[in-house]
Parts: sequence; structure tokens; C-alpha cells
Amino acid sequence: SAVISQKPSRDICQRGTSLTIQCQVDSQVTMMFWYRQQPGQSLTLIATANQGSEATYESGFVIDKFPISRPNLTFSTLTVSNMSPEDSSIYLCSVEKGAGAKNIQYFGAGTRLSVL
Amino acid sequence: QKEVEQNSGPLSVPEGAIASLNCTYSDRGSQSFFWYRQYSGKSPELIMFIYSNGDKEDGRFTAQLNKASQYVSLLIRDSQPSDSATYLCAVEVGGTSYGKLTFGQGTILTVHP
Repeated sequence: SAVISQKPSRDICQRGTSLTIQCQVDSQVTMMFWYRQQPGQSLTLIATANQGSEATYESGFVIDKFPISRPNLTFSTLTVSNMSPEDSSIYLCSVEKGAGAKNIQYFGAGTRLSVL
Repeated sequence: QKEVEQNSGPLSVPEGAIASLNCTYSDRGSQSFFWYRQYSGKSPELIMFIYSNGDKEDGRFTAQLNKASQYVSLLIRDSQPSDSATYLCAVEVGGTSYGKLTFGQGTILTVHP
């Protein structure tokens, strides 16, 4: 498994500001993922962060709104820029690690964001 | 059509009963399938994964996969109140070199004493 630390655990932000969420894992991993989980909804993948290359964004998510950094194999950040109330959500990072013949995604505890 | 669809809930079963959770997927290239459990206010935790047709058992949990029917299910035997949670079906997207997952909308399970 993996121990994933995500900060902050929650925040309340004003419209128009930006928030950077940090994700730290206890061992080196190649792939890190950022998800959004809106209230009462399932997980939607925002982007995949591979160390040493640009993040790959899913349809509906753009780098200007959700810039991602991946400076090394144990750390990544997601910034939610120019926030609006529609960005109120839980943001989760996950990492992929091998478990026998398969790679498994393990999740951090999430960041609960409220935008006023 | 949703890529990953789970049976609509919420599902309520009495303690000791078998809970059956179902999931269908649209991408025939998908090879790996995961069941996550998410307690309210917590992050998803992996219960089981399956990638071969048939059944896979782990304690009280059994995952069933039928690739021809594009169907995967999770059975929970001897359900306990502590099993009450949202269960998320996740499908690994075919054709990618890494584990990109698509999640279903989740099924809320309540096990009542």
C-alpha cells in the first residue's frame, strides 16, 4: 500500500482566489492522479501527473484552471485557480503502486474545499 | 450512455444477509476492475480487484466478472452494519499504459441490525 499525506485537509476560500493542494507519498511512484468529487457524486479524474513530463488533463479540465506540478517521485501539487463556488468539492490525489501482478491506486484523505 | 454504471441505490439489507452490488461498463477493451469502499467523509479504500472472468473470493467478499456481458459484481456475505458505506466500481480504461480509472456513480449500502 501507500501512505499519502494531503494538505490542507479542508479550506474555505473567497471567490477569485487560488488554493494549492499538496500531496506527499511515502515512497517513490511514477504515476500520481488528481480527482474531484463533487457533493454526492463519484470521482472524476482531473489529470494524471507523471514525473518529468507535463500533466495530462481530462476533457473538461484545463491547465490554466488546474495547474499541476510534479517536481519529484514523491510529491505533487494541484492548484485551483480563480475559484468560484462551483469549485466547491473534495479534491483527492492518488498514487499507483504495484500489488503483485497489478497496479493499484491508493487515495489520500482528500481536501474539502468550500468557495464563498 | 455512462461508461461505468452501477445499480441505483440506496441498497438496504438486514444484518447477516448477502448484499449484491452490480456494475456494467461500456469499454470492451477494459481489462481490470476494482471495487472501492468509501465511508462518509472518508477517502476510497480498495476492497478487491479482478481481471479474469469468473469469481474471486476474499473473506466475506466475492467479485464476479463476465467480460462477454461487460458486467462485474460484488457480493458481501454475512453483511455487517460496519459494511454500510458507498461502494464504487472502477474500470481501468483500455488502451492506456497506466492505470487510468473510470468510476461509477457509487451505490450506497445500508446494513441495518
